[in-house]
Amino acid sequence: GENVGLHLPTLSVQEGDNSIINCAYSNSASDYFIWYKQESGKGPQFIIDIRSNMDKRQGQRVTVLLNKTVKHLSLQIAATQPGDSAVYFCAELSGSARQLTFGSGTQLTVLP
Amino acid sequence: GAVVSQHPSWVICKSGTSVKIECRSLDFQATTMFWYRQFPKQSLMLMATSNEGSKATYEQGVEKDKFLINHASLTLSTLTVTSAHPEDSSFYICSAPDIRSETQYFGPGTRLLVL
Repeated sequence: GENVGLHLPTLSVQEGDNSIINCAYSNSASDYFIWYKQESGKGPQFIIDIRSNMDKRQGQRVTVLLNKTVKHLSLQIAATQPGDSAVYFCAELSGSARQLTFGSGTQLTVLP
Repeated sequence: GAVVSQHPSWVICKSGTSVKIECRSLDFQATTMFWYRQFPKQSLMLMATSNEGSKATYEQGVEKDKFLINHASLTLSTLTVTSAHPEDSSFYICSAPDIRSETQYFGPGTRLLVL
């Protein structure tokens, strides 16, 4: 479904702390999930992905967890840095057209 | 990762004029590209799917005669906003999937301001 809102959820963390950003997805048939980072005025940047046959995937400083039972996705960022400040979107892929459906996004602010 | 470019990065135009936005995949071929629109503080909304060699498919509520899409080659899709009005002012972003992994890579976006 559509995600329309005037205010993004926000998360503020201290520099060096770990961040956890959560996302509830809508389609139980989705089989591929991606986390994107979007800085102001720029296009979304790929961070990490996970397929539905996995429940955890790790990258450099980032980990994605997938819980299909409750249709929940999370992004963990270790040792958060000022450059991590951005809006983070989860996206799910489904259907034969392979279209992405985006979540509403979370604004992450890293405090010095 | 794969690189997708957009041109122009921003455009200001008068109401009633048409604006063309280009989306290119620079180091891979894309039979499909996607066009999104994003309003401030909101998520990306899919407008249409651009298909090389065939007509684009539009999402519900998106006027196909207003937003013309042409997928001229395996590396280029264009979106033309016809007779633009102030309510068309938005951030337009394209994406192209890497067929090897299904990951969609996004362009840098085009900021459109209609006066």
